Amino acid sequence: RKEVEQDPGPFNVPEGATVAFNCTYSNSASQSFFWYRQDCRKEPKLLMSVYSSGNEDGRFTAQLNRASQYISLLIRDSKLSDSATYLCVVNTRDTGRRALTFGSGTRLQVQP
Amino acid sequence: EPEVTQTPSHQVTQMGQEVILRCVPISNHLYFYWYRQILGQKVEFLVSFYNNEISEKSEIFDDQFSVERPDGSNFTLKIRSTKLEDSAMYFCASSEPEYSNQPQHFGDGTRLSIL
Repeated sequence: RKEVEQDPGPFNVPEGATVAFNCTYSNSASQSFFWYRQDCRKEPKLLMSVYSSGNEDGRFTAQLNRASQYISLLIRDSKLSDSATYLCVVNTRDTGRRALTFGSGTRLQVQP
Repeated sequence: EPEVTQTPSHQVTQMGQEVILRCVPISNHLYFYWYRQILGQKVEFLVSFYNNEISEKSEIFDDQFSVERPDGSNFTLKIRSTKLEDSAMYFCASSEPEYSNQPQHFGDGTRLSIL
């Protein structure tokens, strides 16, 4: 089983739509969770950290379900500029490890 | 906003040659990392560095690879004898020290092409 698994997409949605991405992780010891976005051939950029209680940043909402080892990202009122690959990222912090484990990403294409 | 900077943006090298990729992490960060991304694949962890020593490395980071912080600002990745399969984007990242779940901030990468 992959350590971090995501639906690769692509998700093709019209402007203004709401879209949700899901991610599952295999290591129950994982403690830190993030969503990054990556534009084509660019670096990953932090979108938001994911907290146990769920958190929101403008049009973006992240949820974490530790029991199911599942993370989600909801994007409301999609913009053309949201077109990118969204990376689910997990850190397993046992004994102070800091290496991030990346999913393969979910590609989003927002269309006019 | 402070950022991680990497040079060069693109490096073309003959197989078997040595390459050094350079990074300037964000100034108040104390943890430094290298990741790579082969075209079409996911981002993979290579190594983390703290207090002038490697704190963690992956299976990819074999004896061909080394890291160094030669001065107070630069952080380098050296590949001693490059192979075709080393062709990838190499990303440097850094993070603050307070909590180990601090987000890592990435530079814009060096594209390494091995001929």
